[in-house]
Amino acid sequence: SQQGEEDPQALSIQEGENATMNCSYKTSINNLQWYRQNSGRGLVHLILIRSNEREKHSGRLRVTLDTSKKSSSLLITASRAADTASYFCAPILHNTDKLIFGTGTRLQVFP
Amino acid sequence: DSGVTQTPKHLITATGQRVTLRCSPRSGDLSVYWYQQSLDQGLQFLIQYYNGEERAKGNILERFSAQQFPDLHSELNLSSLELGDSALYFCASSAGGETYEQYFGPGTRLTVT
Repeated sequence: SQQGEEDPQALSIQEGENATMNCSYKTSINNLQWYRQNSGRGLVHLILIRSNEREKHSGRLRVTLDTSKKSSSLLITASRAADTASYFCAPILHNTDKLIFGTGTRLQVFP
Repeated sequence: DSGVTQTPKHLITATGQRVTLRCSPRSGDLSVYWYQQSLDQGLQFLIQYYNGEERAKGNILERFSAQQFPDLHSELNLSSLELGDSALYFCASSAGGETYEQYFGPGTRLTVT
């Protein structure tokens, strides 16, 4: 079964707008990672947030984590056409380092 | 470029055949992970090796096997191939441990006809 579930499944926005993707998971975690995948290519690590952190920034990315609600969000500000990709969250369970991916959010940014 | 290499890039073969996919991890990474991505199943974790030993197993079929060699490269063997095995197979590597990000290779696209 999938550990992380992203929402929405697909999102289309104009360049310059912000994009928010949400992730829910089922059990206690040590940390949670977000990855990006361009069509048919390998995944690229974006950001890792630990279970004792509530928010983390990296460039135009902002990730939040709410362990009480078992949810995380990824915000991409001032989106660009090059941000068009699928985005996956991957919660890392205690005592494991394997990634269990959800179905991802397909983001399309129109120029 | 993640530093993880996978060969071959594409593979087309017939049902019932056997193939071997190869992965070279980033320099210094001890952990290698294999994932399968298909349209109907999404991205699924198959198996992980750490410094030559199997560490974790996911949704890997009995027809599939993997190993990690002393030089840390890994091979995924798929046998008695079925049409449903057509997918992208990714290898990833990390330094090991749950706080390390994984670096993905470009994948091998397997088509079973």
